[in-house]
Amino acid sequence: KAGVTQTPRYLIKTRGQQVTLSCSPISGHRSVSWYQQTPGQGLQFLFEYFSETQRNKGNFPGRFSGRQFSNSRSEMNVSTLELGDSALYLCASSPRTSGRGYQETQYFGPGTRLLVL
Amino acid sequence: KNQVEQSPQSLIILEGKNCTLQCNYTVSPFSNLRWYKQDTGRGPVSLTIMTFSENTKSNGRYTATLDADTKQSSLHITASQLSDSASYICVVSEPGSGGYQKVTFGTGTKLQVIP
Repeated sequence: KAGVTQTPRYLIKTRGQQVTLSCSPISGHRSVSWYQQTPGQGLQFLFEYFSETQRNKGNFPGRFSGRQFSNSRSEMNVSTLELGDSALYLCASSPRTSGRGYQETQYFGPGTRLLVL
Repeated sequence: KNQVEQSPQSLIILEGKNCTLQCNYTVSPFSNLRWYKQDTGRGPVSLTIMTFSENTKSNGRYTATLDADTKQSSLHITASQLSDSASYICVVSEPGSGGYQKVTFGTGTKLQVIP
């Protein structure tokens, strides 16, 4: 079974631009979560999508948004990029079996490294 | 103050030696605690998951313990190998509505195993 895939792997943008990152979960997984990882802040939770609906949200400004498609693939969008948005953006998927989500393992993709100049 | 504190921040050990990483949390109520291993340039990989009712969980040379009363967890690595060099991240989850979780990540312990 293929793992979680993220595209692109590397991205360079300038301040003020917007960016869209893509995540394809493991086949059959229905939950997709997004995380930001920086050397200073470590891993931080952005949001989780399940059945095309945002179910959980971390403490990030509205410039960070996402969506999930009917095939469980997810995209994350960051508008009006700032220098501080430079980070590794990780996507993780889990089966999200009804009622047992708290026991499930999340499988992470390799991440998209975003550099904002 | 971070709700999940890990110590030490970094650690260097000789190949073949054992080591123990610590995770203290204040997250409450508590759903589960996970340990991840993250190699440089890669996404995290799950090592163990423990619910509040579990005291210990092993995965090969990795053994995690949990004391829900003192809100402490440790990850013990036995007979370390060079490939154990990585960051180890403790993640604590709080139950949310509908079975969803709010996750809080520790800042990680960077382990370097040297020959």
